[in-house]
Amino acid sequence: NAGVMQNPRHLVRRRGQEARLRCSPMKGHSHVYWYRQLPEEGLKFMVYLQKENIIDESGMPKERFSAEFPKEGPSILRIQQVVRGDSAAYFCASSPPTGGNTEAFFGQGTRLTVV
Amino acid sequence: QQQVKQSPQSLIVQKGGISIINCAYENTAFDYFPWYQQFPGKGPALLIAIRPDVSEKKEGRFTISFNKSAKQFSLHIMDSQPGDSATYFCAARYSGNTPLVFGKGTRLSVIA
Repeated sequence: NAGVMQNPRHLVRRRGQEARLRCSPMKGHSHVYWYRQLPEEGLKFMVYLQKENIIDESGMPKERFSAEFPKEGPSILRIQQVVRGDSAAYFCASSPPTGGNTEAFFGQGTRLTVV
Repeated sequence: QQQVKQSPQSLIVQKGGISIINCAYENTAFDYFPWYQQFPGKGPALLIAIRPDVSEKKEGRFTISFNKSAKQFSLHIMDSQPGDSATYFCAARYSGNTPLVFGKGTRLSVIA
């Protein structure tokens, strides 16, 4: 059973370009979470999605950032017109659809560098 | 407003010693408290977790102590080893599949 897969592992973008980060949850998981980690900082929640629905996007900047989790395929975090401050590690986590407290499994992250 | 406060920021422990990391939370509605371990260049991995209806949970060399009245919980690593050198994050969550709220992390170095 493969874990949470994120790609690419490293992404370099020039200022003003678009960055697309992909996350394939663990098999059978229908809940996906995106977190951002700055150097020497903890993980900051960005957005929580279920299949075809955004459940909570309270941690995601209103401009330039968007996320989706289509019925088929991976979840995508899109950052338009990237700026230097977007440089960070972006982690995706997934959890199963059962109720109650369930463990969230993290991917290896995508390290975005904006030059 | 930081909902989960973690200390210390960094910690150096001798091999064989006890590593202790502390966290405090504000929201009494949290009911799931995990600890994650992260190695450089890797994603966080769940180490151990506790719910507020128990005061202590032990798994091997790792123990969580939970003080509900003080809204504090801590991670104890017994017989610390160089391989334990990593960054440790405490977190908290409401019930169900809600997102985790993380502390800022503690960088642990275990020296021989």
